[in-house]
Amino acid sequence: GDSVTQMEGPVTLSEEAFLTINCTYTATGYPSLFWYVQYPGEGLQLLLKATKADDKGSNKGFEATYRKETTSFHLEKGSVQVSDSAVYFCALSDRGYNFNKFYFGSGTKLNVKP
Amino acid sequence: GAVVSQHPSRVICKSGTSVKIECRSLDFQATTMFWYRQFPKQSLMLMATSNEGSKATYEQGVEKDKFLINHASLTLSTLTVTSAHPEDSSFYICSASVTGYNEQFFGPGTRLTVL
Repeated sequence: GDSVTQMEGPVTLSEEAFLTINCTYTATGYPSLFWYVQYPGEGLQLLLKATKADDKGSNKGFEATYRKETTSFHLEKGSVQVSDSAVYFCALSDRGYNFNKFYFGSGTKLNVKP
Repeated sequence: GAVVSQHPSRVICKSGTSVKIECRSLDFQATTMFWYRQFPKQSLMLMATSNEGSKATYEQGVEKDKFLINHASLTLSTLTVTSAHPEDSSFYICSASVTGYNEQFFGPGTRLTVL
């Protein structure tokens, strides 16, 4: 079945450091891939997405490229800020009958220190 | 656009009482709504999927008689936790989607605490 695996956290970085959060997936079809961010006490916000192989999603300095050959969708940011501290979820959406079911990774907590 | 709201944001109740959580799509009509449960420091667990006007589809292990889901209109779904117990304390998140659009829009979540 479909699943998402992402690196365990927490990840602790200093401000302006480079960020990579690994995400790999297993899917039977041609899924869409997403990164969501969750700030403390809040729901999930879409950070970026990619709908087909080789697509690059980007938003707020974050990027992720849909790599079909390695079944990966790693999240990167060149220079993190304290305000980026949050939990990041990688997700996969497979097309089901009448709706799209999402599969979430376990989440990676990012702590950015000033 | 694509805003989803939840009410209440926090609720504290006594053991044995029932609690209703509302999920609304504010600026679009949601053909499908999803209910998730999130335990501390864990990922989202899909509880059920509901399509407007039809019965919800529950995931394996979720008690349908305990977690009642109603999707009466294209903009409103409700989750009722019946006879709540302390182990039902959790963060409940809803999301909404539209047929043909491969994306879910999430509400801000409801923190339920059962004393």
